[in-house]
Amino acid sequence: EGLLVESGGGLVQPGRSLRLSCVASGFTFSPYKINWVRQAPGKGLEWIAEIDSGWSHIYYGNSVQGRFTVSRDNVENSVSLQMNRLREEDTAIYYCARRRDASGYYYFDQWGQGTLVTVSP
Amino acid sequence: EIVLTQSPATLSLSPGERVTLSCRASQSVSASLDWFQHKRGQAPRLLVYEASNRATGIPARFSGSGSGTDFTLTINSLEPEDFAVYYCQQRINWPLTFGGGTKVEI
Repeated sequence: EGLLVESGGGLVQPGRSLRLSCVASGFTFSPYKINWVRQAPGKGLEWIAEIDSGWSHIYYGNSVQGRFTVSRDNVENSVSLQMNRLREEDTAIYYCARRRDASGYYYFDQWGQGTLVTVSP
Repeated sequence: EIVLTQSPATLSLSPGERVTLSCRASQSVSASLDWFQHKRGQAPRLLVYEASNRATGIPARFSGSGSGTDFTLTINSLEPEDFAVYYCQQRINWPLTFGGGTKVEI
């Protein structure tokens, strides 16, 4: 079934940068697209990015476009989220999720436990 | 972007009751809609994909229906572990979007 583990969260000042990591184990990592989803305090889930295996298709949500960059290392079985110019509204738990592709559709079938990012002066 | 509106925001129920959660899309998403269960401090859990397909390991009391703009998640006979927040998600258009969630509480 597999496991995803996020790390790298913490307290950071507005305007600074932070890099999150999502490490996969227990499954063959390279074929899967990986997504990042976040949940701000008291809010719902918000999708923020997706990366495919060969970096040929990368998508971002409107609220992070131009500030966040997603990348991956298929040797290390990891995906990173580089977050620049952080804002207080980026405070959230950040989850990575595996996308499973089927015939004509897909879904997020495996999620990590999340890592907390707090952006505060 | 496609907006998903979930209703009601909160439901107060007792174990054993039947619950119906609604998700309405601002434009057609065909059947490209999934349902997730989320408990505090845990990873979200996929319940239903492609509107009506139960995910692996999900009990039969969970069922999804709908297409186009109107979708429903039904839980027959609530169990104590079902008290959580439920989200719908569309994946027909970028950006992917989630509904605001429905909290099912005791």
